[in-house]
Amino acid sequence: EIVLTQSPATLSLSPGERATLSCRASQSVSSYLVWYQQKPGQAPRLLIYDASNRATGIPARFSGSGSGTDFTLTISSLEPEDFAVYYCQQRSNWLWTFGQGTKVEIK
Amino acid sequence: QVQLMESGGGVVQPGGSLRLSCAASGFSFNDYGMQWVRQAPGKGLESVAFIRHDGSTIFYADSVKGRFIISRDNSKNTLYLQMNSLRPEDTAMYYCAKSFYSGNSGLIHYWGQGTLVTVSS
Repeated sequence: EIVLTQSPATLSLSPGERATLSCRASQSVSSYLVWYQQKPGQAPRLLIYDASNRATGIPARFSGSGSGTDFTLTISSLEPEDFAVYYCQQRSNWLWTFGQGTKVEIK
Repeated sequence: QVQLMESGGGVVQPGGSLRLSCAASGFSFNDYGMQWVRQAPGKGLESVAFIRHDGSTIFYADSVKGRFIISRDNSKNTLYLQMNSLRPEDTAMYYCAKSFYSGNSGLIHYWGQGTLVTVSS
């Protein structure tokens, strides 16, 4: 099973600031790394797939990078609606696994 | 638009059974893989089971293998999860999820709103 470790667990930032979230895999997942956003009481939403491709309707302030074992989700300038929990997921091999999440909270 | 509507959750005693359903609409159901993902209260996401668009490939997490059965009825646009021998650690919100691609893809394009399963005596 591929283990994904996200850091930090919590990111306290103000609107307008830049957010940088990390996801590290226990073995290479090539570019098969996905990012989801989840707000309280809601289902997750697809943001970025295959490391760097924005899903339809996702604003350009969200970007993803990385390959192999190290990946980054960047939010260039936080909007109020961006405060949420972000999960990475690897879809390289079954069992498709998720990281434990990074909570982006308002400072 | 894509809609995934889960049902069948509830409170069940340890050792009991439940059958979850997911009614899909807004897309060609028989063209896409489907899966169940669960989230224990206050915890992260966990893949439970996947079924290919034509049912020819099925995957299970080790934690549910031998107890849960995923199936689909393409004529009814419905996904199922039969859950047997339930344990307290199965308590979670269960999400129905549509794959982005056909084939064996873990990329989830759309999620339902979830149905809550509570295993407790």
